[in-house]
Amino acid sequence: NAGVMQNPRHLVRRRGQEARLRCSPMKGHSHVYWYRQLPEEGLKFMVYLQKENIIDESGMPKERFSAEFPKEGPSILRIQQVVRGDSAAYFCASSPSQLSGNTIYFGEGSWLTVV
Amino acid sequence: QQQVKQSPQSLIVQKGGISIINCAYENTAFDYFPWYQQFPGKGPALLIAIRPDVSEKKEGRFTISFNKSAKQFSLHIMDSQPGDSATYFCAASSTTSYGKLTFGQGTILTVHP
Repeated sequence: NAGVMQNPRHLVRRRGQEARLRCSPMKGHSHVYWYRQLPEEGLKFMVYLQKENIIDESGMPKERFSAEFPKEGPSILRIQQVVRGDSAAYFCASSPSQLSGNTIYFGEGSWLTVV
Repeated sequence: QQQVKQSPQSLIVQKGGISIINCAYENTAFDYFPWYQQFPGKGPALLIAIRPDVSEKKEGRFTISFNKSAKQFSLHIMDSQPGDSATYFCAASSTTSYGKLTFGQGTILTVHP
């Protein structure tokens, strides 16, 4: 009964490189959410996806950030040309269809460090 | 306004004491209010949640009190234990976008033995 799986757990990138974070939702879950947690802060919503569709990307920075959730495979959060300010913990969460209520389940997070 | 304000920022309690964390929201469209517990290096885990049709919900040592008119809700941890030491986040969302949680800033709870 695996939970939300995220990898890598820790990632170090130099400024200007690309970071790719992957998320496999819980079995049976078709809704994926990405959140960012900056040091000493709460989590901030970034994007909500269903299979092959971006439903709400109101929390995504306008540039360099993109997300996808393909028909097959994990959801991917991609950060191009990383800067020091991108250093944060990125959490993925998943939920079943809306009929099941409001609970979403978080993964263990991916910690990105930009040097 | 989408903010959820949480206080205090940090809290120190003796073992066996009561820990109280407060949150206030502004968006009247919010109708789901969960509390999450986060240990260092881990993801947030759902602790307890409440909807505005009830004023209180209790699960074990954890109780949420909800005041709809004041737009405030709080978490009470009875008989606090050292194992409860963690960061606690309140959050809120609406039925129309329930996975889009607005989080408070977090409270670092330390329970001394």
